[in-house]
Amino acid sequence: SYDLTQPPSVSVSPGQTARITCSADALPKQYVYWYQQKPGQAPVLVIYKDSERPSGIPERFSGSSSGTMVTLTISGVQAEDEADYYCQSADSSHTYVVFGGGTKLTVL
Amino acid sequence: EVQLVQSGAEVKKPGESLKISCKGSGYSFTSYWIAWVRQMPGKGLEWMGIIYPGDSDTWYSPSFQGQVTMSADKSISTAYLQWSALKASDSAMYYCARHDQSDGVLDYWGQGTLVSVSS
Repeated sequence: SYDLTQPPSVSVSPGQTARITCSADALPKQYVYWYQQKPGQAPVLVIYKDSERPSGIPERFSGSSSGTMVTLTISGVQAEDEADYYCQSADSSHTYVVFGGGTKLTVL
Repeated sequence: EVQLVQSGAEVKKPGESLKISCKGSGYSFTSYWIAWVRQMPGKGLEWMGIIYPGDSDTWYSPSFQGQVTMSADKSISTAYLQWSALKASDSAMYYCARHDQSDGVLDYWGQGTLVSVSS
């Protein structure tokens, strides 16, 4: 199986930079996607194909990849960014999907 | 505008059957897979499987194979997730999402259906 590992929690003060990592346990690494989920809401795609930003997502959200590690970076964190963030990938056929365990971002 | 609209919350007893729905609009419903995702209370996202409404081809996560059944009615652009005999452990929020198999992304999500199973 293909596993994605995220830290359970990350805390930052407003205006600082938050970095949330997602580590894949196998090579070749497939593309990783990031979702933001606020309490009581459905997940929203914020980064696709490791580093692309969908339309409507603020520029402060960015993604990067190095080896088997992918990072979601939120620059100039705002209170509204407090949420759970999930990374997601799929097998080489893009059929079987796997999610990371999720990271709770707390804005202090 | 792409939209996935799910059926409303359900309260059921153990052993009862249930079928929840996900209606797509704003895109070619038969050209994209629909994924189902479970989220148990206070927990993370779990991929259950996908169905291709064009021909009802399905792929299940091993964790959910035999536990649920996915189906679709392309004439009304609706996908379904059903249980034949619910258990208390099926209590969760269930999301449908559009799955783009060209790269594996779940780019649009339904609002979720809350299923509560209790005696």
